[in-house]
Amino acid sequence: GESVGLHLPTLSVQEGDNSIINCAYSNSASDYFIWYKQESGKGPQFIIDIRSNMDKRQGQRVTVLLNKTVKHLSLQIAATQPGDSAVYFCAEHVGDSSYKLIFGSGTRLLVRP
Amino acid sequence: DAGITQSPRHKVTETGTPVTLRCHQTENHRYMYWYRQDPGHGLRLIHYSYGVKDTDKGEVSDGYSVSRSKTEDFLLTLESATSSQTSVYFCAISVLAGQETQYFGPGTRLLVL
Repeated sequence: GESVGLHLPTLSVQEGDNSIINCAYSNSASDYFIWYKQESGKGPQFIIDIRSNMDKRQGQRVTVLLNKTVKHLSLQIAATQPGDSAVYFCAEHVGDSSYKLIFGSGTRLLVRP
Repeated sequence: DAGITQSPRHKVTETGTPVTLRCHQTENHRYMYWYRQDPGHGLRLIHYSYGVKDTDKGEVSDGYSVSRSKTEDFLLTLESATSSQTSVYFCAISVLAGQETQYFGPGTRLLVL
């Protein structure tokens, strides 16, 4: 597969443990946030999103937490599985009329069997 | 991949040659985007389109042009390819007006020699 990011921070977790991936965003006017998962050789895949009027949102095995005070976003993955190994990155939408997103560079998650 | 296809999936070309990448969607979404992805960087927006013949520049548009003559197709052209344009290119679409989530195609890996 290709190298999505040669110098990405890496999180290594034991299979079955919970994973927490963090993201600091840049703009206090950002009103919408998305987490994506990218496996080697594939396009980014939507995982979960959250709007700025919320501080927590849960999906299947995933939870996103938003702390607007410190401009911090986290993705929690419960009972991490080998198939969760990928690069994860956040994206923010700044609250103007544009549909453009700003993407972080990502964190590589490695799941140890 | 949300009904998005990209062609070609892989291409090797020489410096100075023109290259056109195609993004095709099957669901008549209004917004389409071209990104490039490089090691150590998040996804960076090249150009985007908000309708047929309506396009605008992103943050890294120099050396690229786009066209959208039909809703379903968004073309990215490198007029004269350079080695710095070696990258993985992703097309994305926004699903609904006011819903900023973007869904990505599988990517095109371009190598400029």
